[in-house]
Amino acid sequence: NAGVTQTPKFQVLKTGQSMTLQCAQDMNHEYMSWYRQDPGMGLRLIHYSVGAGITDQGEVPNGYNVSRSTTEDFPLRLLSAAPSQTSVYFCASREGIEAFFGQGTRLTVV
Amino acid sequence: AQTVTQSQPEMSVQEAETVTLSCTYDTSENNYYLFWYKQPPSRQMILVIRQEAYKQQNATENRFSVNFQKAAKSFSLKISDSQLGDTAMYFCAFMKARMDSNYQLIWGAGTKLIIKP
Repeated sequence: NAGVTQTPKFQVLKTGQSMTLQCAQDMNHEYMSWYRQDPGMGLRLIHYSVGAGITDQGEVPNGYNVSRSTTEDFPLRLLSAAPSQTSVYFCASREGIEAFFGQGTRLTVV
Repeated sequence: AQTVTQSQPEMSVQEAETVTLSCTYDTSENNYYLFWYKQPPSRQMILVIRQEAYKQQNATENRFSVNFQKAAKSFSLKISDSQLGDTAMYFCAFMKARMDSNYQLIWGAGTKLIIKP
């Protein structure tokens, strides 16, 4: 039982490049979400999903896309990276009120 | 909209001392959950303790306890007999206890706690 697995752990992108942050969970949780963590601001919700085929926007969705084709996977796509997207990204899944977090991805856009 | 405020950006104490981290929140909800998460340098988010708003009794987990004041909308975390391994960022978080909340967590900005040997 691996819990929530995020890849990669670190990434450097050039402005305008695209990439996908991967997130997978093996706990059969319906609810999954993506947060970004910036200094002095705590975590902010980007997108979330309440089940396969269902996604919705959170507080800061601009510049990010998600899809949920399976219960296990919830990838986050940056279509055209911008320096403002430099942050630490967390994927989480949830069972009831208990959240399980991945290890985070530190993304730097130069 | 709900907000969570942590007014102490950074704190430091000596090992074995007791430290209290403050958290206040704003909500019109009557039923909700409050959490304290720990984030050590490894970046892993670790649940320390949680409190259900309908419970008057303060939650306790070993050396960690909370002082939940519902009327004052205050939710402080007390760490007793602090240890070097307690050095971390601590986040306070809020979640509405309603199905239409989609279990979204609202986070404070965090408090960096340093335990000195």
